[in-house]
Amino acid sequence: QKEVEQNSGPLSVPEGAIASLNCTYSDRGSQSFFWYRQYSGKSPELIMFIYSNGDKEDGRFTAQLNKASQYVSLLIRDSQPSDSATYLCAVRRPLRYGGSQGNLIFGKGTKLSVKP
Amino acid sequence: DAEITQSPRHKITETGRQVTLACHQTWNHNNMFWYRQDLGHGLRLIHYSYGVQDTNKGEVSDGYSVSRSNTEDLPLTLESAASSQTSVYFCASSEWTGADTQYFGPGTRLTVL
Repeated sequence: QKEVEQNSGPLSVPEGAIASLNCTYSDRGSQSFFWYRQYSGKSPELIMFIYSNGDKEDGRFTAQLNKASQYVSLLIRDSQPSDSATYLCAVRRPLRYGGSQGNLIFGKGTKLSVKP
Repeated sequence: DAEITQSPRHKITETGRQVTLACHQTWNHNNMFWYRQDLGHGLRLIHYSYGVQDTNKGEVSDGYSVSRSNTEDLPLTLESAASSQTSVYFCASSEWTGADTQYFGPGTRLTVL
């Protein structure tokens, strides 16, 4: 089982719809979770991070975390064509990894396409 | 404004040559990371550093080396470039081990012929 898994997509949604991006992780001890957005040919940029179970909202973006199910998701409300990008889920290694605990493990990303 | 820069942005080299990719950050971050990104593999960690004189191997470190002589820079060296090292390379930094956010540089596209 891969440490961080995402559906590769592409996920296609119409403009104005809600886009739902999902990520599962294998290490139950993971504590911190991140969503990055990467436009084609560009570098990843942070959208949100979440530590606690439940929802965290920032503008049109909502991150949801369920540690019992080892599942984190990103909802994008009122999707716009400018949201078309690859979305990377990243998980921080648990503390028991000692010196590498600052490292992030990335999923392969989900490509989102928002159609006008 | 603080930033993280990479140079060169594009590089074409030949098999067997030594190549060094530069990464420079002005945030005064302790932690710096090098990743490569390939289709089908996502971002994979090559090397990382938690401070000056500290370097550590990541999951795909064979054929790569780094050195950290100051806070701002973490150059990545390919000792003898191979075609399998054709990739896009990203440098990232974060403030301290317990902090959350890694900020990425613009990337270097390396082609090894």
